[in-house]
Amino acid sequence: AQSVTQLDSHVSVSEGTPVLLRCNYSSSYSPSLFWYVQHPNKGLQLLLKYTSAATLVKGINGFEAEFKKSETSFHLTKPSAHMSDAAEYFCVPLFGNEKLTFGTGTRLTIIP
Amino acid sequence: NAGVTQTPKFQVLKTGQSMTLQCAQDMNHNSMYWYRQDPGMGLRLIYYSASEGTTDKGEVPNGYNVSRLNKREFSLRLESAAPSQTSVYFCASSDEGWFGDTQYFGPGTRLTVL
Repeated sequence: AQSVTQLDSHVSVSEGTPVLLRCNYSSSYSPSLFWYVQHPNKGLQLLLKYTSAATLVKGINGFEAEFKKSETSFHLTKPSAHMSDAAEYFCVPLFGNEKLTFGTGTRLTIIP
Repeated sequence: NAGVTQTPKFQVLKTGQSMTLQCAQDMNHNSMYWYRQDPGMGLRLIYYSASEGTTDKGEVPNGYNVSRLNKREFSLRLESAAPSQTSVYFCASSDEGWFGDTQYFGPGTRLTVL
């Protein structure tokens, strides 16, 4: 069965330190992959997407993600966290022509 | 350019009441979507409209109906609200009629059914 797992429901980092939000998918083929961000009381916004081109994808606000087929992973990283990065992050694979499959989300807290 | 707008922002209903959630987009997008978001879960697709004049069921359509009124507007109706429909509802739109296209989300409607 095709699925997505966000390994951490909550991540806390200090301002200025690196961010790592983990995402793994399960599928017999490589999906398209997205990261969406949801700031408090706001709708979701696309951060970045992978659609079988370069495996390292750069997004908005300094975020990037690397597609690793051998590990079936698409982890989201940022070198230096900012207070404005506090939000909920969703890993979202697209398996073939099916609907988007949203992960359960990772809440990122930034410690001043 | 307001993007995707939703009304109302908050609503409280009693079991059995009906209501319509409104959604409009000003980006001339072809496709529109309705999702619900529940605690500890990702978004789940209720209905979508790939283009004006078409609607299709998503993952959790039971208890809902939709209308694509025109290219701009896509409404979601609860005919007889139930407590299980307490949720945050998001409308989204995209330019192309496939799920890989970037979706733009509204701010959400927080619905409580008592």
